Amino acid sequence: DIQMTQSPASLSASVGDRVTISCRASQNIATYVNWYQQKSGKAPRVLIYAATSLQSGVPGRFSGSGSGTEFTLTIGTLQPDDFAIYFCQQAYSLPYSFGQGTRLDI
Amino acid sequence: QVRLQQSGPGLVKPSQTLSLTCEISMDSVSSDFAAWNWFRQSPSRGLEWLGRTYFESRWHYDYAVSVKSRLTITPDTSNDQFTLQLNSLTHEDTATYFCTREDRGTRCHSPWGPGTLVIVSS
Repeated sequence: DIQMTQSPASLSASVGDRVTISCRASQNIATYVNWYQQKSGKAPRVLIYAATSLQSGVPGRFSGSGSGTEFTLTIGTLQPDDFAIYFCQQAYSLPYSFGQGTRLDI
Repeated sequence: QVRLQQSGPGLVKPSQTLSLTCEISMDSVSSDFAAWNWFRQSPSRGLEWLGRTYFESRWHYDYAVSVKSRLTITPDTSNDQFTLQLNSLTHEDTATYFCTREDRGTRCHSPWGPGTLVIVSS
């Protein structure tokens, strides 16, 4: 099974900051990575799919990069609504697996 | 816009069977372009993929090894929904369960159902 190692586990930032979250896969997964945002008591919401593609309706301040084993989610200018938990997911092979999450706090 | 709505019990006794339904709006469970997945999330195990079904010439089923002997996912073409049945429940099955639509081309999971918190307790 493919392991996804996400860092950092938590991150404190301010409105207007630029932040990056990283994910490392235990083997080459090409660009089969999705990034999700989850708020308390809600289902995850996809932000980025296939490593770099912005999901329809998601603000352009979110971007993804990477291929192979190293992936990054970047939030260009933090907004108050962005404080949440973020997960990466590999969609290369079953069983699909997730990083442990990054909690983004003020 | 595709929407998923979940239904099922929030409290189940140990050793019993959990049955959850995911109702699909604005799409078909038989779609050539989608697979229908179940995930769960708990503080101890994080987000965990459980299984999926999709139609391509025939129905296909994939299950996580950890639950394969206990899990059945069933498509219902008459009502455009799919169900999860997980038997022999233990306290470790306590979690929030989500259904999702997976785009079979991009492998993007969207949307997600709202989630059902299932507590296994006597």
